[in-house]
Amino acid sequence: AQSVTQLGSHVSVSEGALVLLRCNYSSSVPPYLFWYVQYPNQGLQLLLKYTSAATLVKGINGFEAEFKKSETSFHLTKPSAHMSDAAEYFCAVSDDYQKVTFGTGTKLQVIP
Amino acid sequence: DARVTQTPRHKVTEMGQEVTMRCQPILGHNTVFWYRQTMMQGLELLAYFRNRAPLDDSGMPKDRFSAEMPDATLATLKIQPSEPRDSAVYFCASGLAKETQYFGPGTRLLVL
Repeated sequence: AQSVTQLGSHVSVSEGALVLLRCNYSSSVPPYLFWYVQYPNQGLQLLLKYTSAATLVKGINGFEAEFKKSETSFHLTKPSAHMSDAAEYFCAVSDDYQKVTFGTGTKLQVIP
Repeated sequence: DARVTQTPRHKVTEMGQEVTMRCQPILGHNTVFWYRQTMMQGLELLAYFRNRAPLDDSGMPKDRFSAEMPDATLATLKIQPSEPRDSAVYFCASGLAKETQYFGPGTRLLVL
């Protein structure tokens, strides 16, 4: 069975500060891992995905995530937060790249 | 810019009424997913299809929900009869097998 745990349902950062959103996964096979972003009243949009190539994955809008097998983690980071980054972020895992299990989401607030 | 479209975007109905939600996947995508998002449960996979055939509908309440793909350009999700606990945002997503899912904007359903 696959699952993800997102630590912190709400995270607040100051504009220009580092963004760190945490995600730990559980999977019986080498997983595919994803981060999606959801802006208010919109669907989810893919930020980045890990598919067993490079462990450091770069995505859109300056975000990146590092796959750490020893820690079963796939944390999302951005060096400098922008006001437009305020949204809800979902970590997700799949063992076959089709049936995806989503985390409960982390709402990111960016303080001016 | 190809997008998944969903209609209606908002639906208010009374308990016991039939609700039909429609999704037009991105042209060429062979896999279609239906998700439900609520505050309490987060994002749940209800069902998904590949090449119009249902692959998994284990997340869907069978007694009142049904999902179909009459053709490659249309997926439908029906609730009959609807109940207040069905109030949620319903998302459709499409993709190619083993590739990223693209989400529609969702149908916001309120059952009174």
